[in-house]
Amino acid sequence: ELKVEQNPLFLSMQEGKNYTIYCNYSTTSDRLYWYRQDPGKSLESLFVLLSNGAVKQEGRLMASLDTKARLSTLHITAAVHDLSATYFCAVDPQGSNYQLIWGAGTKLIIKP
Amino acid sequence: NAGVTQTPKFRILKIGQSMTLQCAQDMNHNYMYWYRQDPGMGLKLIYYSVGAGITDKGEVPNGYNVSRSTTEDFPLRLELAAPSQTSVYFCASSYWGQRTDTQYFGPGTRLTVL
Repeated sequence: ELKVEQNPLFLSMQEGKNYTIYCNYSTTSDRLYWYRQDPGKSLESLFVLLSNGAVKQEGRLMASLDTKARLSTLHITAAVHDLSATYFCAVDPQGSNYQLIWGAGTKLIIKP
Repeated sequence: NAGVTQTPKFRILKIGQSMTLQCAQDMNHNYMYWYRQDPGMGLKLIYYSVGAGITDKGEVPNGYNVSRSTTEDFPLRLELAAPSQTSVYFCASSYWGQRTDTQYFGPGTRLTVL
């Protein structure tokens, strides 16, 4: 069974702290995505990771991919309140005809 | 470009009623998708389409139907609504012409079945 597991599912943290969200997947994947969803809103693409060792950074967010371990991480540096959202990872299994498999999401609350 | 648009934004249905959720995109994308998102959960694929006239089932197709007569439009039909179909429905589209392509999402339709 194709699975994408995120942990933690819920994270409350203080501004200024660092933390990492983990995304494990169970199948060989061509691509891995990170999306952000604000409460009551739609999903917005953050990163697309294509190959082993890929690292992408945007502001205080950095995503990386280890295809051998089937693991991606989303690292938050010096968190600020505006980063409060739910973060989803999704994988594009090889041969899936672009049917992404989604994790359950990590709800991140950053307290001032 | 308007991107991906969905109507309505909200809807309350009674059990057994039917309705169509509308989705349109103006980016000339070939792929379109319908997802549902239950509270605190990730997205589950209902149906998808790889181009006009071609549709296929996703993970949770029961109780739904789709059609795609044009590149731009991909409506989702709910027949005989049930409380289990209470959810937020997202339409998405993508081109997949390059490896860095991604899915673009509409604003969602919040559906309640009572």
